[in-house]
Amino acid sequence: GQNIDQPTEMTATEGAIVQINCTYQTSGFNGLFWYQQHAGEAPTFLSYNVLDGLEEKGRFSSFLSRSKGYSYLLLKELQMKDSASYLCAVNGGSTLGRLYFGRGTQLTVWP
Amino acid sequence: NAGVTQTPKFQVLKTGQSMTLQCAQDMNHEYMSWYRQDPGMGLRLIHYSVGAGITDQGEVPNGYNVSRSTTEDFPLRLLSAAPSQTSVYFCASSPQGRVPQHFGDGTRLSIL
Repeated sequence: GQNIDQPTEMTATEGAIVQINCTYQTSGFNGLFWYQQHAGEAPTFLSYNVLDGLEEKGRFSSFLSRSKGYSYLLLKELQMKDSASYLCAVNGGSTLGRLYFGRGTQLTVWP
Repeated sequence: NAGVTQTPKFQVLKTGQSMTLQCAQDMNHEYMSWYRQDPGMGLRLIHYSVGAGITDQGEVPNGYNVSRSTTEDFPLRLLSAAPSQTSVYFCASSPQGRVPQHFGDGTRLSIL
């Protein structure tokens, strides 16, 4: 089966740095996605990793280690608007494009 | 450019009723999928399609049917609604498998 694990909740202070971890076990691997989802809204794409290493995009970075089945999303200079659920999704299995999602990490940023 | 459009945005049904959730995209994307999102459960794949005329089951397909007669449209049919199908339903599309999926705004469905 496919298994994607991430913490349920995290809290941090405005201006701080937070790291959200994701571990996965899938029968195939064609990349890992991070999505942000504000309450009552649709998920929006943040980052994509298919090779090992760090991908940086402004205040957001994502890291992948395929050998360890591990990724993290790093958020810097946290702002109140970063309070949201962060979803880890693996493009795995035998069908390209089929995503397996973790249950999401609810991040609360305090002033 | 409307992206992925889902209708309706809200719906209340009685147990046993049937209905179709509509999903349309205007980006000529080959890959389309339907997810349901329940509290604490994350997004779970119901059905997906890799192109017109091709559909396949996801993790939780029971009680749902899909068809893909055109590239643009991917409707989801509830055959006989049950309270367990109360959820938020998202449709998503992408040009092909290795790129991010674009999500619609969701349909909030309640079954009484």
